[in-house]
Formats: sequence, C-alpha cells, structure tokens
Amino acid sequence: EDQVTQSPEALRLQEGESSSLNCSYTVSGLRGLFWYRQDPGKGPEFLFTLYSAGEEKEKERLKATLTKKESFLHITAPKPEDSATYLCAAYGGATNKLIFGTGTLLAVQP
Amino acid sequence: GAVVSQHPSRVICKSGTSVKIECRSLDFQATTMFWYRQFPKQSLMLMATSNEGSKATYEQGVEKDKFLINHASLTLSTLTVTSAHPEDSSFYICSARGGADWNNEQFFGPGTRLTVL
Repeated sequence: EDQVTQSPEALRLQEGESSSLNCSYTVSGLRGLFWYRQDPGKGPEFLFTLYSAGEEKEKERLKATLTKKESFLHITAPKPEDSATYLCAAYGGATNKLIFGTGTLLAVQP
Repeated sequence: GAVVSQHPSRVICKSGTSVKIECRSLDFQATTMFWYRQFPKQSLMLMATSNEGSKATYEQGVEKDKFLINHASLTLSTLTVTSAHPEDSSFYICSARGGADWNNEQFFGPGTRLTVL
C-alpha cells in the first residue's frame, strides 16, 4: 500500500535555529514529491515539486531534497513567520493521486 | 499563483440537513477538481476527483450518494453533504488543476469548516 510518513509530528525551534523535516514514502512508481505549507484554518500552499532522486530546490530559507526513499525540507535560520504545518505528498503512477503525509507542525519562537 | 475560492468558509448546520459547498477557480479554467477532507491533526484524504462535464470518481469508502459532487463548468464545482450527521463534521478542502496532466499544479482552496450539531 502506498504510504507517506512525516517526522517529527511537531518541532519547536528558536529563531535562527536551522533544522530538517523528514518525509518517508513507499509509493510505487513515484512521479513527483510535493511539499506544501498549511496555515491554521487554510488550504495548503504549494512550495516545491521534486521529480527524481538527487534533485534539490530552494526558496528563501527552505530547501527540499529527494532520495529514493525520502525527502527532506531543510529550514535555514527560520523566522517566526515560518511557523506552519508542512505537508509532503507523493504522486504515484499506480494510484494517480496525491497521497499526503500527516504533516509536521513547526513553531519558531522569537 | 492561481486562486481558488471556497464558499462558505464556515458553516454550522443541524443533523439531517444538507449543506452545499462551492469551489471556484477565479483566474483559470479547471479541467479537474478534487475534494478532500481533513480531520484535526490528520492528513488530507482525497474524497473524489471530478472532471468538467462528467461524473465524479469517488475514493473507496466515500459514499457517493451522501457526498454529491457536481462539476458543471470549468470554474465551478460543488460538494453537497446530504443528510449531514455529526460525524461529517470536518474541514473540507477543494483543489483545482488547470490541465489533465498530473504534472499541472494543483491549487488549493482555503477550506470550509463544517460543524454538524
């Protein structure tokens, strides 16, 4: 069964304290790995799509990387406004739909 | 990026009533729209996929007679929760995709919080 698992469930950082979020996936025929940001009471906001192992993408303080089994979202020198839930989702060739993880709730304290 | 709106943002209804949620793509034509539900601290679960002008495809375990989906135009899809019960209380999120290709970005709406008393 296709599955996406994110860890940790919650992460509390001090402003400026860099860290990484993990997304492990078991998806047959992975075609794309997506990262989203979700603020409370709102829909997900697209961040990145990664298509193949070894690929990296950056946007401001965020960098996403992909291996054959997992993806990481690295947050460098986070600010309080980076506080949100970060979701990853995998699109598999077998299911032809996005399979979401349960997310990591990130809190960045000033 | 493209904008997807949902209406209402929040609705409270009595058990047994029906509730309609609208999802609109404001600045692009959505070939495909998706409906998700999200319980607190849980992931988004796909309920159904709809293509304009055709019947929706429901995920396993989702009752198509309870969750009626209509995608009548390229900018509007509706989800009607019929005879709602407290267990239907959830956060419903739609998303829209501008093309048939899976690689086309899905834009998500802001969600609708449904509370059934």
